[in-house]
Amino acid sequence: KAGVTQTPRYLIKTRGQQVTLSCSPISGHRSVSWYQQTPGQGLQFLFEYFSETQRNKGNFPGRFSGRQFSNSRSEMNVSTLELGDSALYLCASSWSGQGASKIMSPLHFGNGTRLTVT
Amino acid sequence: EDQVTQSPEALRLQEGESSSLNCSYTVSGLRGLFWYRQDPGKGPEFLFTLYSAGEEKEKERLKATLTKKESFLHITAPKPEDSATYLCAARNNNDMRFGAGTRLTVKP
Repeated sequence: KAGVTQTPRYLIKTRGQQVTLSCSPISGHRSVSWYQQTPGQGLQFLFEYFSETQRNKGNFPGRFSGRQFSNSRSEMNVSTLELGDSALYLCASSWSGQGASKIMSPLHFGNGTRLTVT
Repeated sequence: EDQVTQSPEALRLQEGESSSLNCSYTVSGLRGLFWYRQDPGKGPEFLFTLYSAGEEKEKERLKATLTKKESFLHITAPKPEDSATYLCAARNNNDMRFGAGTRLTVKP
């Protein structure tokens, strides 16, 4: 079974630009979450999508947005890039059933997109 | 505020020297405690899920345990290939909150 695929693997942008990152989940997984990982802050939750709807959102500014398509693939967009947005952006998918099984499903991560803002 | 704290930040062991990593959590409505391994340049790889206090899970040289306030990842007779950052995460109904990780180095 193919794992979570994130593209591109590396990205260099300048301040003020915008960027779109892509994530293809494991086949059959309908939930996709996004995380930002930096050396100082660790893994920070951005948002979670399920069936094209945002289910939860972390404490990030509105410049960070995302969406999910009908095939469960997801994209994340960051507008007006700042130097502090440089990070590893990780996408994770999980099987989502109902109730307790949804909550306890482990996240399966991709290898991330390394974004550098200059 | 929900919080997950891991200790130590870094741990250096000789091959064969057993030890434990700690994960303390204060998360309301905990539904599961997860352990992940992360190698440089890669995403976290799922290891274990623990659901309730007293539960234990094992995989090769790793054993994870859970109490009402903390979880331990015990590493028995580690090998150099066990070198990685180990992350724990506590999940409730809203999100999964990660600790900062323990960076483990095992010297031959």
